[in-house]
Amino acid sequence: NAGVTQTPKFQVLKTGQSMTLQCAQDMNHNSMYWYRQDPGMGLRLIYYSASEGTTDKGEVPNGYNVSRLNKREFSLRLESAAPSQTSVYFCASSEDLLFGLDWEKLFFGSGTQLSVL
Amino acid sequence: GQQLNQSPQSMFIQEGEDVSMNCTSSSIFNTWLWYKQDPGEGPVLLIALYKAGELTSNGRLTAQFGITRKDSFLNISASIPSDVGIYFCAGPIYNFNKFYFGSGTKLNVKP
Repeated sequence: NAGVTQTPKFQVLKTGQSMTLQCAQDMNHNSMYWYRQDPGMGLRLIYYSASEGTTDKGEVPNGYNVSRLNKREFSLRLESAAPSQTSVYFCASSEDLLFGLDWEKLFFGSGTQLSVL
Repeated sequence: GQQLNQSPQSMFIQEGEDVSMNCTSSSIFNTWLWYKQDPGEGPVLLIALYKAGELTSNGRLTAQFGITRKDSFLNISASIPSDVGIYFCAGPIYNFNKFYFGSGTKLNVKP
């Protein structure tokens, strides 16, 4: 039972490089999220996808793009990495936002630690 | 953006001690959530609260939904080393798409 799988676990980039963080869930959840975690800041929502084919901005979307490839997969892309994007990134999923019985239960991946030099 | 203020920021306690932490907001919440993050892992939901005044337990953990709906408390009794981690409060407001997280309380337990 894998749950939410994120790759890679660690990544080091140079300023200006691009990369894509991959996320897949096997729980048949409709909603998926990308968060970043910085010391003393808690978890801040970057983008979310309420269902396959839809994506919306969260609190801190600048410098990121997302793709909801299918129901299982939700990727996060950094087109031109900046040192301010050094962070730990978490993907999460949940039941239907409005109709699911357990909508409040976010299931998180184990994170990607990204350093931008 | 929305701010959830958690305190304390960190705690160093002895195994067997009880722990209390809280979370406050300037806005009203209809649901309060408490998550725990083990080192190197993603957060995991511990307790969900749905009603003002509600008191809910999960083993040695007890959480309360404040009467004003602007705060919540988490207590851990008889702490053990595996309680080490970061505890986050969280809640959705008018828009269910957005879960706002507090900045976390980092708990350290000395054996």
